[in-house]
Amino acid sequence: RKEVEQDPGPFNVPEGATVAFNCTYSNSASQSFFWYRQDCRKEPKLLMSVYSSGNEDGRFTAQLNRASQYISLLIRDSKLSDSATYLCVVGRMDSSYKLIFGSGTRLLVRP
Amino acid sequence: NAGVTQTPKFRVLKTGQSMTLLCAQDMNHEYMYWYRQDPGMGLRLIHYSVGEGTTAKGEVPDGYNVSRLKKQNFLLGLESAAPSQTSVYFCASRTKNSYEQYFGPGTRLTVT
Repeated sequence: RKEVEQDPGPFNVPEGATVAFNCTYSNSASQSFFWYRQDCRKEPKLLMSVYSSGNEDGRFTAQLNRASQYISLLIRDSKLSDSATYLCVVGRMDSSYKLIFGSGTRLLVRP
Repeated sequence: NAGVTQTPKFRVLKTGQSMTLLCAQDMNHEYMYWYRQDPGMGLRLIHYSVGEGTTAKGEVPDGYNVSRLKKQNFLLGLESAAPSQTSVYFCASRTKNSYEQYFGPGTRLTVT
């Protein structure tokens, strides 16, 4: 079983739609949580960190449920430019601070 | 600031050949990482370094070696390439005070 699991998609939505992605993680020792965005054939880039209290950045809202060990990302009013792969990432607090990446959820926003 | 750079961008090797991938960062970051990304697998950590002169194994270290002789550079070596090492390789770095990792543009390697 993968340590971080995501639905690979693709999620195909029209512009203006609201779309939500979920991710589950298996290691209860995970302490930090992130969503990264990766465009086709490009490097991953940090989209936002995820906190237990939930956090919002413009049209993006991230939530963490530690008890159920899942993380979510909500995108409102989807834009064509949101088309990308969204990577769920968890980190453990050790000397290396390694990140564990999910395999990603692909989003396609159509006109 | 160039950020994180990787050379080369593309390479085709024959089985058994060797090569070195270079990662350079100009952000004075302490930590550096090498990942490989394969379809459906996500990014997997090969080796990492927490400072100049130190390296450690990640999740999939077999067939690779690394060196961090200078703080700004992290080299990944393949001594005898195998087709299973066909992948996209990403380097990343971060400061010890932040969790965010900054990635290079990647190297696409094909081993035939």
